[in-house]
Amino acid sequence: QQPVQSPQAVILREGEDAVINCSSSKALYSVHWYRQKHGEAPVFLMILLKGGEQKGHEKISASFNEKKQQSSLYLTASQLSYSGTYFCGTEVISGSARQLTFGSGTQLTVLP
Amino acid sequence: KAGVTQTPRYLIKTRGQQVTLSCSPISGHRSVSWYQQTPGQGLQFLFEYFSETQRNKGNFPGRFSGRQFSNSRSEMNVSTLELGDSALYLCASSRRLAGRQETQYFGPGTRLLVL
Repeated sequence: QQPVQSPQAVILREGEDAVINCSSSKALYSVHWYRQKHGEAPVFLMILLKGGEQKGHEKISASFNEKKQQSSLYLTASQLSYSGTYFCGTEVISGSARQLTFGSGTQLTVLP
Repeated sequence: KAGVTQTPRYLIKTRGQQVTLSCSPISGHRSVSWYQQTPGQGLQFLFEYFSETQRNKGNFPGRFSGRQFSNSRSEMNVSTLELGDSALYLCASSRRLAGRQETQYFGPGTRLLVL
């Protein structure tokens, strides 16, 4: 089942912060975050594992709340290069072969 | 290390035709997943191959099929193309250790247009 991302779109000024949320109705083993720029392939940002700690990548970090089956991506002091569509991919605990299911994406626009 | 490569990059076909797309994973990666991306539906999982075996399949009709070779290269085939099959087809490779889905690295995609 597809995870739900919110908000669908956000517009920021350079230097502002943003939070993107991803939630699932199923028990998750991991959450993967990707960024895709227009016309390009998605690029991996980070993985959060069940029982793992908050991860960080430059000024982008994320957390995983196992009780709520939710993950949040935090972008601090946003830069123009952060613009793109952010996808969360969730890995569900079900059976022996797990697959990633992606959310519909959050379009982030950073203005100068 | 070379990234994931996909061929061809662009393709134009007509309804009813069939098409085969190719994906070469990162060296050492044995798992290849295929996704269809459209503006309306986002990233939709098609199937995953690991060690030449289909491990997972998404909710797509039987016209969509794939295979993986012993060198981990994978092909995806769509038969009897429909207009709605126009999309960006992405392949992603990963290691997949102990049944877990590791980081997926995406190729540049094949953009298919069905007329």
